[in-house]
Amino acid sequence: AQSVTQLDSHVSVSEGTPVLLRCNYSSSYSPSLFWYVQHPNKGLQLLLKYTSAATLVKGINGFEAEFKKSETSFHLTKPSAHMSDAAEYFCVVSLSQNAGNMLTFGGGTRLMVKP
Amino acid sequence: EPEVTQTPSHQVTQMGQEVILRCVPISNHLYFYWYRQILGQKVEFLVSFYNNEISEKSEIFDDQFSVERPDGSNFTLKIRSTKLEDSAMYFCKQAASNYGYTFGSGTRLTVV
Repeated sequence: AQSVTQLDSHVSVSEGTPVLLRCNYSSSYSPSLFWYVQHPNKGLQLLLKYTSAATLVKGINGFEAEFKKSETSFHLTKPSAHMSDAAEYFCVVSLSQNAGNMLTFGGGTRLMVKP
Repeated sequence: EPEVTQTPSHQVTQMGQEVILRCVPISNHLYFYWYRQILGQKVEFLVSFYNNEISEKSEIFDDQFSVERPDGSNFTLKIRSTKLEDSAMYFCKQAASNYGYTFGSGTRLTVV
């Protein structure tokens, strides 16, 4: 079984300040982990993915996430928020790298960026 | 990542009508999935499809739903008799054997 908990449903930051979106997972096996972003009325865009290689994963648009097995966490960070980062972010877990495995989504975190 | 095209982007239908949502396949992708996102709720897995068969489905995927890949072309999700609660964004996802997930841009279904 696998599950994902996104600890904050809403996060509000000022433009230019750091972003932290928290994610904890539960999985019986070594998971693959992802962050997806969804802008209003848009599809799901992959930000980054962890697949048992380097624990610090760099993604698009300056985002990165660190896989911490001891804490079962995969928090998403960005040093400096931009107005265009305002969106919904989903932490996602998959049992393995097998392309046949389904993804389990967290509940999402809505990021708001104030000018 | 290559883009996955879903059609239509938005569909409005009357309750009780049948709808078919389509996902245009990427040539080397073998696995197909449908996910649903009801407004304000989390994204939920519906069904996975491999080698022209359903490999896994969730509790949501009841007898009103079906999937197929007619003639090896588009991958479709059919809802036979829509209900108000079927209103949602429906996402197609495809995956290649060498591991890579690509989501479609989604179809917004509104049942009135």
